[in-house]
Amino acid sequence: AQRVTQPEKLLSVFKGAPVELKCNYSYSGSPELFWYVQYSRQRLQLLLRHISRESIKGFTADLNKGETSFHLKKPFAQEEDSAMYYCALSGPGANNLFFGTGTRLTVIP
Amino acid sequence: EPEVTQTPSHQVTQMGQEVILRCVPISNHLYFYWYRQILGQKVEFLVSFYNNEISEKSEIFDDQFSVERPDGSNFTLKIRSTKLEDSAMYFCASSDHRTSGSKKQYFGPGTRLTVT
Repeated sequence: AQRVTQPEKLLSVFKGAPVELKCNYSYSGSPELFWYVQYSRQRLQLLLRHISRESIKGFTADLNKGETSFHLKKPFAQEEDSAMYYCALSGPGANNLFFGTGTRLTVIP
Repeated sequence: EPEVTQTPSHQVTQMGQEVILRCVPISNHLYFYWYRQILGQKVEFLVSFYNNEISEKSEIFDDQFSVERPDGSNFTLKIRSTKLEDSAMYFCASSDHRTSGSKKQYFGPGTRLTVT
């Protein structure tokens, strides 16, 4: 069965500090992994997907198949990064997204 | 940039009533989705729709739910006889795998459904 685990419901860091939001997954094949973000009063929007290996707003995420993790990292947090972050996966033959419970990141000025 | 729109933003209904939630996906997208998020819980997949038929659905999407694309722009979710536990935020999403090369989904702002 598929599962996405985000162990931290809440995470607070100071501005300028590094931030890492953890995501572990369980899937019996090779899923596609995503990070979605929801800023206050805005819609869910895609931040990163593992297949494109891109850096968006300074965030990166590396898929570690051995540890079944897809942690989101940023070296220097900014106040505007405060938001709800969701890790999600999609199976290779499926179109739907399976979400984790989310982590609310607060960047303290 | 084109966006997915949803109406209404908030719907209040009495238990047992039918509700229709409306979505206008991005115009050149071919895949449409409904998700829901009960307060304090995670976003859950309900159903996906492609080529005028359901392509996938979750266990949540039982006989009380139906989806329709009544014209070339709207995508609706109908709940026939609402229950208290249907109270949630309902998100519509759309995607176009041909251009994105991946399952990038664009979400609407959501409709908050309150069943009393």
